[in-house]
Amino acid sequence: GIQVEQSPPDLILQEGANSTLRCNFSDSVNNLQWFHQNPWGQLINLFYIPSGTKQNGRLSATTVATERYSLLYISSSQTTDSGVYFCAVERRSNDYKLSFGAGTTVTVRA
Amino acid sequence: NAGVTQTPKFQVLKTGQSMTLQCAQDMNHNSMYWYRQDPGMGLRLIYYSASEGTTDKGEVPNGYNVSRLNKREFSLRLESAAPSQTSVYFCASSLGANDQTQYFGPGTRLLVL
Repeated sequence: GIQVEQSPPDLILQEGANSTLRCNFSDSVNNLQWFHQNPWGQLINLFYIPSGTKQNGRLSATTVATERYSLLYISSSQTTDSGVYFCAVERRSNDYKLSFGAGTTVTVRA
Repeated sequence: NAGVTQTPKFQVLKTGQSMTLQCAQDMNHNSMYWYRQDPGMGLRLIYYSASEGTTDKGEVPNGYNVSRLNKREFSLRLESAAPSQTSVYFCASSLGANDQTQYFGPGTRLLVL
């Protein structure tokens, strides 16, 4: 199956700092999504971004499909940004099967 | 709109017992999914239903069965629970082929003793 690698595995930030999370994948993809899992376990979809760049408030994401990676940018981090960020991809075969990376755990300190 | 709802929130089973996890969505989505999440890992797809009337195996289907009861509801059944099935189970839904953004329920925490 497709391999999804996220880096770094852990990230500690001071409130107000900026950061970049990376997702590498091993095959062409039809679908790439970023999720945030908050400390209470709720999973929230941040971006559906198989290619290109999107922005939503302080978060933005860029996927370079030809080079098989995606980046999630967090600017001016807040304590509410803490949690685990997952990248998930679906192979170009369009079979509805999302494969998740192991996640990046982000801790934002006040 | 409630979005995606799951019941129960928490369950303890003994090895060999059976149970059904319920999932419902009110977003008129065509596709629904069941995942499990184990400590320190990402989610793994158990089963999915691309549309009403169809179900397919995901990455880890062994020990589970599913039923797409109607467009709104997608249940996951454990026929004979095993300690290896201790996990947090998430249901998700998406509109379908034209928009595969997935929306998740709050999860069910299952402990098998």
